[in-house]
Amino acid sequence: DQQVKQNSPSLSVQEGRISILNCDYTNSMFDYFLWYKKYPAEGPTFLISISSIKDKNEDGRFTVFLNKSAKHLSLHIVPSQPGDSAVYFCAADLRTQGGSEKLVFGKGTKLTVNP
Amino acid sequence: KAGVTQTPRYLIKTRGQQVTLSCSPISGHRSVSWYQQTPGQGLQFLFEYFSETQRNKGNFPGRFSGRQFSNSRSEMNVSTLELGDSALYLCASKGSLNTEAFFGQGTRLTVV
Repeated sequence: DQQVKQNSPSLSVQEGRISILNCDYTNSMFDYFLWYKKYPAEGPTFLISISSIKDKNEDGRFTVFLNKSAKHLSLHIVPSQPGDSAVYFCAADLRTQGGSEKLVFGKGTKLTVNP
Repeated sequence: KAGVTQTPRYLIKTRGQQVTLSCSPISGHRSVSWYQQTPGQGLQFLFEYFSETQRNKGNFPGRFSGRQFSNSRSEMNVSTLELGDSALYLCASKGSLNTEAFFGQGTRLTVV
């Protein structure tokens, strides 16, 4: 049972345009969501996150939108740059008070930004 | 500040052997988690340690185990290796409950 789904294995965009990566989840108990970026032969690097009490978080060229009713989040990259080419993982977290948590990851979307 | 360090980076083992992987978290971080990444299953949670105690465990067989030392360094062990254990094993550390996890570069394990 895949609780976090990234339905697009790959995405190709032109440099300077917008990249939109999508993620769906099934567990309504998730209360924190993160995006990680991963280059080959490296570990994932944290990009941006959003709490379930918000619907938008912005950091420079990166914006994450959360639609709780649809159990859907998206990552927007504007403008896209060739250096953004990587695999992007969506992750969900259960930050219960006083407890431990584990990240549940989607299977990733490979973004290619063409010059 | 040094990042999360995993050793070794690459490892080749034979079926039936056992292996130990090591992770040194970011200084001051007490939570260490382990993940397995395979092409088919993506990133899957193995277990998490905090102050030398396992707090959370994923759905992996008992052949996968771990421990954490008083300096927060962690090891994971896989016994009786199977071909399907070939994967990238990632370690992540956290400073506190509501912060992001920082990942190491991983150990690429190949079982032949």
